[in-house]
Amino acid sequence: QSVLTQPPSASGTPGQRVTISCSGSSSNIGSNTVNWYQQFPGTAPKLLIHSNNQRPSGVPDRFSGSKSGTSASLAISGLQSEDEADYYCAAWDDSLNGPVFGGGTKLTVL
Amino acid sequence: QVQLVQSGAEVKKPGASVKLSCKASGYTFISYYMYWVRQAPGQGLEWMGIINLSSGSTSYAQKFKGRVTMTRDTSTSTVYMELSSLKSEDTAVYYCARVPSRYSSSFDYWGQGTLVTVSS
Repeated sequence: QSVLTQPPSASGTPGQRVTISCSGSSSNIGSNTVNWYQQFPGTAPKLLIHSNNQRPSGVPDRFSGSKSGTSASLAISGLQSEDEADYYCAAWDDSLNGPVFGGGTKLTVL
Repeated sequence: QVQLVQSGAEVKKPGASVKLSCKASGYTFISYYMYWVRQAPGQGLEWMGIINLSSGSTSYAQKFKGRVTMTRDTSTSTVYMELSSLKSEDTAVYYCARVPSRYSSSFDYWGQGTLVTVSS
């Protein structure tokens, strides 16, 4: 049971815009920044979005993040087949005194 | 370029211990913190603990306290994680992941992962 809640799956067709939600509480998302990770099968996660909405160098601007209250969202516009991966949200939790993760969302490009 | 290179796969029997390594390069080692995060087959990410690479101080997730020990060797820029009293549920891929500060969930670089299989 993950502390942050994500839908287990999401899908879209090439060119579409897809959003993935991440729900938390006042002790994590409500008071700390959210980060998003992309993971392909058999590989390590990669930082996709940090500090709610900042893209590390090299991440396409098709990926964007937002946060409101105790929830956050990752949006992928102009969906491409290579975006098919697992996506995880993460935030620091003041009560647990550590980082917490969502359970992950498997994105399928139809 | 920043690289975190982990040791190879391990197969252990229940009750045994395993010690993994993570060698860092391409940045000033002691300027960051390092987490160990694990991922059981088909499951999500779970943090195990963090080590301050400058002071060596550690903080472990409650679930692993008493079973996990994290250390570092500044002379070789290597971080170690030892997990004892292994159970089948410890079968997972273990990652080291760098963060810029103690209270951060922004893991900007990850090792390639080490598969630990616990089986009799």
